[in-house]
Amino acid sequence: DVKVTQSSRYLVKRTGEKVFLECVQDMDHENMFWYRQDPGLGLRLIYFSYDVKMKEKGDIPEGYSVSREKKERFSLILESASTNQTSMYLCASSLLSTYEQYFGPGTRLTVT
Amino acid sequence: GDSVTQMEGPVTLSEEAFLTINCTYTATGYPSLFWYVQYPGEGLQLLLKATKADDKGSNKGFEATYRKETTSFHLEKGSVQVSDSAVYFCALLSYGQNFVFGPGTRLSVLP
Repeated sequence: DVKVTQSSRYLVKRTGEKVFLECVQDMDHENMFWYRQDPGLGLRLIYFSYDVKMKEKGDIPEGYSVSREKKERFSLILESASTNQTSMYLCASSLLSTYEQYFGPGTRLTVT
Repeated sequence: GDSVTQMEGPVTLSEEAFLTINCTYTATGYPSLFWYVQYPGEGLQLLLKATKADDKGSNKGFEATYRKETTSFHLEKGSVQVSDSAVYFCALLSYGQNFVFGPGTRLSVLP
């Protein structure tokens, strides 16, 4: 059974803190993605990666960075959290050939 | 750029009612079209897909037909169940691009 896991389901951080969101997939997928999900806006792509140490900006990369040191792990970093980054964050992975994306359960981040 | 428009929710239906959730898209070229479902507390799961015009995707009693002439991919189910309560996302994927998701439609099915 395919599996994408995220390190936390709920997270509360203070403004200015550095925040790490971790995602791990066990399907040997090449592609990994970070989205944020906001009511009425659907999913918006923050960053994605096609290979280890590779990263590409998505539609809304400002205020975020990513790290992919191992194929199965893709981290999203908020260098200095702000209240407008309060959101649900979803990680996904896919094979290079099929593009069907498998999603993790999400991390609901609240920045106060 | 590419975009997806879905009907605004929430949609509330009684069990065994007929469901339609409208989805239209704007894209250059010929994208693949998808419906994803998000059950409470979970991530998104692929529900069905269609890769070319007139294809019909189907799964778990849900169906959607890729209509190029109307740029639509409406989701239908003949008889909904309480367990179908979820948020449904229409999405498209153009060649060489990333997924574009619609805003989502929340469905509540009452017993």
